[in-house]
This record gives sequence, structure tokens and C-alpha cells, in this order.
Amino acid sequence: LAKTTQPISMDSYEGQEVNITCSHNNIATNDYITWYQQFPSQGPRFIIQGYKTKVTNEVASLFIPADRKSSTLSLPRVSLSDTAVYYCLVGDAGGGFKTIFGAGTRLFVKA
Amino acid sequence: GAVVSQHPSWVICKSGTSVKIECRSLDFQATTMFWYRQFPKQSLMLMATSNEGSKATYEQGVEKDKFLINHASLTLSTLTVTSAHPEDSSFYICSASPVTGNQPQHFGDGTRLSIL
Repeated sequence: LAKTTQPISMDSYEGQEVNITCSHNNIATNDYITWYQQFPSQGPRFIIQGYKTKVTNEVASLFIPADRKSSTLSLPRVSLSDTAVYYCLVGDAGGGFKTIFGAGTRLFVKA
Repeated sequence: GAVVSQHPSWVICKSGTSVKIECRSLDFQATTMFWYRQFPKQSLMLMATSNEGSKATYEQGVEKDKFLINHASLTLSTLTVTSAHPEDSSFYICSASPVTGNQPQHFGDGTRLSIL
């Protein structure tokens, strides 16, 4: 299983764009990259998933370079409610996306 | 869509009792479900992979006789913490992967287990 590395914590202000980068140097050919958000005492919530290039949905964008050894989650115009832990996961659909959680990035949004 | 329900959300019990936690995929079928444990201020730790109709696969260091997993249908997996002790107190989270397409895991909202 591919190991992921993210910054432990980040601070931002309301209204700013936040970019969180994840390193996954030993990603396998069949692996997808998925990002989750977790609030205290809740299960992780799906944000976005991609395989290569760029993916965008209503809440975030995911940028994946050609070598796929890293990915960047972009959150446009964050608000106080975006304060949470963000996890980057790498997994293969064939295995039900079995994955090992890294430490995640604790994002703190200030007013 | 893609809702995973966990029950109970919170349980307190005496040391030595067994506790069963249910994980249900409400609007999709899941061949594979996962069980995690999370301690305060830490990341999720994978305990086991549960496959419908077969024995669960446990991660290294997880006692299979302590944490019994049953995945009897494509929408239900259960985790039973047997003879629970205070050190088993934790936040237990399940996830499920839809059988169709390259869809990611969807997580339940967790079960807070406190053993007195």
C-alpha cells in the first residue's frame, strides 16, 4: 500500500484559497487518489477523487501531475467551518480502496 | 447517496462485557467493508478488512479473537469487541466500498466506545 505524506498543520484566513499537497511516491498504476475531511467525533467525509490531471467538483479541485507522485487539494475561499483534518488516501478500486491513513493535515481557518 | 450508517453512535459498558457495533450501507451494496479505530488526536488505524461471505482479514497486531467481524450480507458488517476492557475504549469507524464502478470508500459516523 502506498504511503502518503502531508504537512501536519496549516493555518489560513477566511476567504483565502488553501492548497494542501500530498506526497505518494510509490503510488501504483491502479491506485486512485482520494481526499477526505474529518471533523472531531465524526467519520471522514469524501471530498474528491482523481486518477490523473485535474478534477473539480462543487467544493474542491484536485491537481495531479503527470508522474502522479503527488497531488494537491485546493479549497477555494475557505470559511471557519472548513477547520478540520484533511486526509489524502491512495488505493486500488479492485481492493475496495483498502488504504492506510497517514497523519493528515490539520487545517485551522481563522477569522 | 452512498450513506453508511453505524449503530450505536455511543456506548458505555462495564469491563468484561461484549459490545456489538453495526455498519450498514443504506443505499448501495458493498462487497468490502473496513473497520478502523481512532484514538484522540490521532489518525485512523485500519483494523481489518471485511469481505461479504468470507472471513475478515486482520491487520498485524489486531487480535481476531478480541475483535470479531461478521459480514453476512452486502449491506451489513458487524464488529464485536469481546470481553472489553478500558484499553479498548476508542472511536471505532467503519467504511464501505460500493461494488459498482471505481467509487471510493464511504465512512460511517463512528461509534464512541467507553469501557468503565
